[in-house]
Amino acid sequence: KAGVTQTPRYLIKTRGQQVTLSCSPISGHRSVSWYQQTPGQGLQFLFEYFSETQRNKGNFPGRFSGRQFSNSRSEMNVSTLELGDSALYLCASSLDQGRSGNTIYFGEGSWLTVV
Amino acid sequence: QKEVEQDPGPLSVPEGAIVSLNCTYSNSAFQYFMWYRQYSRKGPELLMYTYSSGNKEDGRFTAQVDKSSKYISLFIRDSQPSDSATYLCAMGGSQGNLIFGKGTKLSVKP
Repeated sequence: KAGVTQTPRYLIKTRGQQVTLSCSPISGHRSVSWYQQTPGQGLQFLFEYFSETQRNKGNFPGRFSGRQFSNSRSEMNVSTLELGDSALYLCASSLDQGRSGNTIYFGEGSWLTVV
Repeated sequence: QKEVEQDPGPLSVPEGAIVSLNCTYSNSAFQYFMWYRQYSRKGPELLMYTYSSGNKEDGRFTAQVDKSSKYISLFIRDSQPSDSATYLCAMGGSQGNLIFGKGTKLSVKP
């Protein structure tokens, strides 16, 4: 059974640009969440999608957005990139995140460097 | 006060030692508790999941939850160099999203 797949794995962008990251969850999983990981702040929750609807959102500015498609694949977008957006962006999937005792599995992440 | 506190270490132990990793939390609403292992430049890998107070064992790993004290632990028996990684505690409630500790970096020396 394939795990959570994230693309691209590594990318470098310039300040002011925008970036789109992609996530394919484990087959059959309908919940996809995104987290940002930095050395200073650790892992922080960005948002969660379930059945194409954003169900929960963390405390990040509106430059961070996402969406989910009918096949449960998800994308997140960061517009007007800032140096502080350099981080590992992790996608996590579950049958139904956190509810009914379902466990949450992470992908390998997308390493974003903003220069 | 942060919702989840975890000593960042680093923690260095000799091979074969028993390792104890801990987190404290302040939010009584947390219902389930997880431990993840993260190797350098990799995504977190789920090690243990529990939602009740008490112990849960899986091979060399034991997860312990004490909801009354708001304290969780992960014990690693007979530690191996391959256990060298960062260990993250994570907790969740009805909202669904996980709140993570900052992680403890563990090094097991041969």
